[in-house]
Amino acid sequence: DVKVTQSSRYLVKRTGEKVFLECVQDMDHENMFWYRQDPGLGLRLIYFSYDVKMKEKGDIPEGYSVSREKKERFSLILESASTNQTSMYLCASRARDRIPSTDTQYFGPGTRLTVL
Amino acid sequence: DAKTTQPNSMESNEEEPVHLPCNHSTISGTDYIHWYRQLPSQGPEYVIHGLTSNVNNRMASLAIAEDRKSSTLILHRATLRDAAVYYCILRALISSGSARQLTFGSGTQLTVLP
Repeated sequence: DVKVTQSSRYLVKRTGEKVFLECVQDMDHENMFWYRQDPGLGLRLIYFSYDVKMKEKGDIPEGYSVSREKKERFSLILESASTNQTSMYLCASRARDRIPSTDTQYFGPGTRLTVL
Repeated sequence: DAKTTQPNSMESNEEEPVHLPCNHSTISGTDYIHWYRQLPSQGPEYVIHGLTSNVNNRMASLAIAEDRKSSTLILHRATLRDAAVYYCILRALISSGSARQLTFGSGTQLTVLP
C-alpha cells in the first residue's frame, strides 16, 4: 500500500513561532507538493519539489519555505507563524512526469494547524 | 485546467447506486477527467480517471458523455464509508510548472443515509 505520512495530525502553535511540518513518502516519487485547504477556498498550492534540493513556488508561497534534502522527505516551514496560517496542510506526492494528464497524486492525512 | 461544475451536495441511501454528475462544457480534446474524493478528516484520494470511454475500477465507474461535456461518477452500492466530498478535475495533456498541481473545485458533498 502506498503511503504518504505527515508528522502530526493536529498542531497548536503561538504567533511568531517557527513551525516545521514534515512529510514522508515511501513510493520513491520525484514530485512532492504542499497544499493548504481552507473552507470556501479549496486546495491551494504553496510549494512543490520535483527533485531533491529542487523547489518551485506555488500560488501562495508567502510566509512559507520548504526543504527537500532527501527524496522521501519534504518539509514545510513557517518562519514566523501568524494567525492567518491557521489551516489544514496537505502533503502529496507523484511519480516523475510522464503524461501529467494520467498521473495520480497521493495525499497524506493532513495536519490541522492552529496558530493562536 | 478547464473549469468543472458539480452540485454542492447529494444524498443517497445505503446500498443504493449513486450517480455524481460533473459538467465540463469547456473541456478540450486532450483533457483527462479525474475524480478524487476526500473523506472526513483525511487527505484527498484518487478514485478514477478517463478520456473518452467509460471506465471501471474496484472503487467506481466513470461514464463520459459522447460529446465529453459532462461525466458521471457511479458508485454501484453506496456504503456509509463512501460519505465524502467528491471532486471532478480536468487535467490537460501537457502540464508544466505549477500546472503539475491538482486544481480542486468545491466538489459534491455526498451524504449516505443508513
